[in-house]
Amino acid sequence: SAVISQKPSRDICQRGTSLTIQCQVDSQVTMMFWYRQQPGQSLTLIATANQGSEATYESGFVIDKFPISRPNLTFSTLTVSNMSPEDSSIYLCSVEAGNEQYFGPGTRLTVT
Amino acid sequence: AQKITQTQPGMFVQEKEAVTLDCTYDTSDPSYGLFWYKQPSSGEMIFLIYQGSYDQQNATEGRYSLNFQKARKSANLVISASQLGDSAMYFCAMSRMNTGFQKLVFGTGTRLLVSP
Repeated sequence: SAVISQKPSRDICQRGTSLTIQCQVDSQVTMMFWYRQQPGQSLTLIATANQGSEATYESGFVIDKFPISRPNLTFSTLTVSNMSPEDSSIYLCSVEAGNEQYFGPGTRLTVT
Repeated sequence: AQKITQTQPGMFVQEKEAVTLDCTYDTSDPSYGLFWYKQPSSGEMIFLIYQGSYDQQNATEGRYSLNFQKARKSANLVISASQLGDSAMYFCAMSRMNTGFQKLVFGTGTRLLVSP
């Protein structure tokens, strides 16, 4: 298994500002994934982050809005830029461990 | 494209009884993985169980078992001896296994309520 921590656990932000979410894993992993869960909805993959290369974004998500860094094999950040109330969601990072995939505790973001 | 369907928005079960949460999937990939996650009100996603498409045996993890019927493309989760702490959202998900990494596609979830 993998132990994943995220910071912050929650935040309330003003529209137009940006928030950077940190994800730390207790072991080295090749791929890290960022998901969004809008209120009452299921999870949707934002992007896949591989160390040393640009993140790969899913349809509907762009780098200017959700820039991602992956400086090493245990850490990644996701920035939510120029926030609007529609960005209010839980943001979760995850990693693979064998055939299993584990999630961090999530960052609950509210944009006012 | 892969798709997961969970047709039960909510399920009720009494404590100590068993409950089955339905999940059907659609994919053209020959190799895939199926996952179940539990999401309590705190929002964390708790991994429960995994089934590979080539696994001959149904996966089991403690009180959780996955009823995998490949021909029917179903991967139902069975929770035996329900406990009050099992009340949560449950998500079924799948991924391709031939790309070297997993991108999970999730269903819409089933909210389970366990009553005393």
